[in-house]
Amino acid sequence: EAQVTQNPRYLITVTGKKLTVTCSQNMNHEYMSWYRQDPGLGLRQIYYSMNVEVTDKGDVPEGYKVSRKEKRNFPLILESPSPNQTSLYFCASSLRDPAYDEQFFGPGTRLTVL
Amino acid sequence: GDSVTQMEGPVTLSEEAFLTINCTYTATGYPSLFWYVQYPGEGLQLLLKATKADDKGSNKGFEATYRKETTSFHLEKGSVQVSDSAVYFCALRGAQKLVFGQGTRLTINP
Repeated sequence: EAQVTQNPRYLITVTGKKLTVTCSQNMNHEYMSWYRQDPGLGLRQIYYSMNVEVTDKGDVPEGYKVSRKEKRNFPLILESPSPNQTSLYFCASSLRDPAYDEQFFGPGTRLTVL
Repeated sequence: GDSVTQMEGPVTLSEEAFLTINCTYTATGYPSLFWYVQYPGEGLQLLLKATKADDKGSNKGFEATYRKETTSFHLEKGSVQVSDSAVYFCALRGAQKLVFGQGTRLTINP
């Protein structure tokens, strides 16, 4: 089954404790992206990757890192989480540029930073 | 920059009622427009899209028409069902990303 998977689905952590949210897709998509969803703000892009070893900042990259060492994986790293990073996070992928190809979303990761 | 504005929610309707969720956009040129739906506990799914002015996207009884004169892409459905309860997002094609509206939560009561 074609899908985007994220782990963990729920995470409660404390300020400053490094964490990684994994994202994997099995559709051989070139493009992958991370969004955060906050009430009243919709989805805002954090980082995106056009292909392996190619990443770029989105609208709200501060406090986040990403890597794209393999085509299928695109982990989101919070080196020193803070409470304002409490949010619902979505990974998404598309065959190429989402301007032209449908974007498929993962189920989301709800992160709480205390 | 590009932006999308949706009607404020939440919206609560009775089953079989007519639905309209308003969406307007600001963008350079005429970008492709989308409606995504998010069911409880799930990620977003593409509901419908339109790629040029006057195009009508449709799926699962939902429709939206790309109106360049009013820069709008309103979502409509003639008779909603309880299973349509979800959050609906309007979006436009930006540079290497989608630009989303804030989302509208829809609840349908039996």
